Amino acid sequence: QSVLTQPPSVSGAPGQRVTISCTGSSSNIGAGYDVHWYQQLPGTAPKLLIYGNSNRPSGVPDRFSGSKSGTSASLAITGLQAEDEADYYCQSYDSSLSAPWVFGGGTKLTVL
Amino acid sequence: EVQLVESGGGLVQPGGSLRLSCSASGFTFSSYAMHWVRQAPGKGLEYVSAISSNGGSTYYADSVKGRFTISRDNSKNTLYLQMSSLRAEDTAVYYCVRPKASSGWYDAFDIWGQGTMVTVSS
Repeated sequence: QSVLTQPPSVSGAPGQRVTISCTGSSSNIGAGYDVHWYQQLPGTAPKLLIYGNSNRPSGVPDRFSGSKSGTSASLAITGLQAEDEADYYCQSYDSSLSAPWVFGGGTKLTVL
Repeated sequence: EVQLVESGGGLVQPGGSLRLSCSASGFTFSSYAMHWVRQAPGKGLEYVSAISSNGGSTYYADSVKGRFTISRDNSKNTLYLQMSSLRAEDTAVYYCVRPKASSGWYDAFDIWGQGTMVTVSS
């Protein structure tokens, strides 16, 4: 059971918009700690997609956006493309844990 | 180019030991805290361990506490993970990870190694 909860899977047709939620608690997201998002393509290492809740690293298309409110965060992908099919993970910091860096369980995005 | 290259993975029997290494290049290694993250086959990412930039502070997930030891040699730009009393559930790809900012204790992980596979099986 992950500290951060994500839906196991989401899907959408090319060109559509999808969102992936990440639900935490008062000791992590709700405590004000930033949420970061990673994309993992099959057989590759994770890649930073969004940092600091809503910032995109250089090279990440603006089709990807992040937001945070209360104890939850969301990743939105607009203009869905076939190459967006991947696993997506949220990550934050939890002050109640001995190793306070935490990941969500991951969400598999399928492009129909 | 900023790069992390892990090595040392392999097949080990339950109860055995293994030491992973992560060679860093392209940045001032001694300025960054460093982390290990693992991923069991077909599963999600699991946080393992962290070490401060000077090695003075270490952190471990409950699942590995008392069995794994993280360390670093800043003169060699290398991060280590000594794993002992290995169990089948430790089977995973182990990633060496760097935070985005040298002062970023809460920061995102922006540099990942390619990972090294550890298989614990008899």
